[in-house]
Amino acid sequence: AQSVTQLDSQVPVFEEAPVELRCNYSSSVSVYLFWYVQYPNQGLQLLLKYLSGSTLVKGINGFEAEFNKSQTSFHLRKPSVHISDTAEYFCAVSDLGSGGSYIPTFGRGTSLIVHP
Amino acid sequence: EADIYQTPRYLVIGTGKKITLECSQTMGHDKMYWYQQDPGMELHLIHYSYGVNSTEKGDLSSESTVSRIRTEHFPLTLESARPSHTSQYLCASSPRRRDRGFNTGELFFGEGSRLTVL
Repeated sequence: AQSVTQLDSQVPVFEEAPVELRCNYSSSVSVYLFWYVQYPNQGLQLLLKYLSGSTLVKGINGFEAEFNKSQTSFHLRKPSVHISDTAEYFCAVSDLGSGGSYIPTFGRGTSLIVHP
Repeated sequence: EADIYQTPRYLVIGTGKKITLECSQTMGHDKMYWYQQDPGMELHLIHYSYGVNSTEKGDLSSESTVSRIRTEHFPLTLESARPSHTSQYLCASSPRRRDRGFNTGELFFGEGSRLTVL
């Protein structure tokens, strides 16, 4: 079974500083990779996704992520964060399950806290 | 813009009550899911559906049940709520990838239903 590890439960950072949120997954067979953001009292919203092609993926709000197959990682980065980026971030990996369908597995989430 | 709706957003009820959490999507997605979310924990898949009249149990054992009589509607029911059911429940749907015709697992989420059982 797939497992997804988000190495940091909480990442505090100052406004305008760069940030990296780390994500590793267990299976190296055919996978699809996603990052979602969750603001307080809301559902999850897709930030970006890797389906195929270029390993550097750009998403909304200035975020990007790089798929590294050899290291089974999909780290999320932003060169300069804003206060409004304070939220919970979830990494998800989707692989072909026993039923022949892609089912996503989520990490525990990383709380990004941006200080002024 | 995702169009998936959950009601109620917040519910506080007493032990033993029957509850139904509603989820509807207007995007025509075939696959739908229910996740349970607790603070600091990964989202746990409790139910999913491939389409009408299809329901499957997820990785996390749950005393809830689901039905899928219409494509757009995927309600979750607890016959007798207990304090251990207190959690946030997230409904999601998933489209087929247009160029390949299969589902990649990309999800569109509702805003969640926060259930508290006293």
